[in-house]
Amino acid sequence: DTEVTQTPKHLVMGMTNKKSLKCEQHMGHRAMYWYKQKAKKPPELMFVYSYEKLSINESVPSRFSPECPNSSLLNLHLHALQPEDSALYLCASSHGGGGSNQPQHFGDGTRLSIL
Amino acid sequence: GDSVTQMEGPVTLSEEAFLTINCTYTATGYPSLFWYVQYPGEGLQLLLKATKADDKGSNKGFEATYRKETTSFHLEKGSVQVSDSAVYFCALWDNDYKLSFGAGTTVTVRA
Repeated sequence: DTEVTQTPKHLVMGMTNKKSLKCEQHMGHRAMYWYKQKAKKPPELMFVYSYEKLSINESVPSRFSPECPNSSLLNLHLHALQPEDSALYLCASSHGGGGSNQPQHFGDGTRLSIL
Repeated sequence: GDSVTQMEGPVTLSEEAFLTINCTYTATGYPSLFWYVQYPGEGLQLLLKATKADDKGSNKGFEATYRKETTSFHLEKGSVQVSDSAVYFCALWDNDYKLSFGAGTTVTVRA
């Protein structure tokens, strides 16, 4: 059983829709991450939150908007996405802040399809 | 920057065969090293880790030793099972405070 819970598991949306991906962890981790993973590729880092503050944005387009309402929750707001944004979106968390080398715990991801 | 190079797959084995997946790294210091596994339809799971030279990580019959002299962290398992079929990623904690992943190796174990 994964300790990082992501919802929804699957999402299909049109290019004009607005939707949100949600991630929750109750391990007391203070760093949370969003990754994008295309088929047969490694995950690509998008955002890092450390102690609920955005610490890394890997030059992600503004149609992706992260939010960290509290230490257990992480959201990714989606708007006006493109077909090439179709991918598996993974959330992860780790002990300590975003600069720590502690192992990251991943959720099972949200599989996003853009029509 | 720091990076890992991982043996390309796919790798197909019979049950009870020996598995080795090569991983070498390039880094200015001595980064922490990890192996993650991704089963079909799931996220990544930490398989094992090592934080300094000569450390051996082990879990579920898998082992990897942090070799500073060869800058390697090869993954091994003595007798694989069908349930080991997955994608395996080598990763390091780089000097930009991020996980840097290898390309991934797809392993298929036949009964």
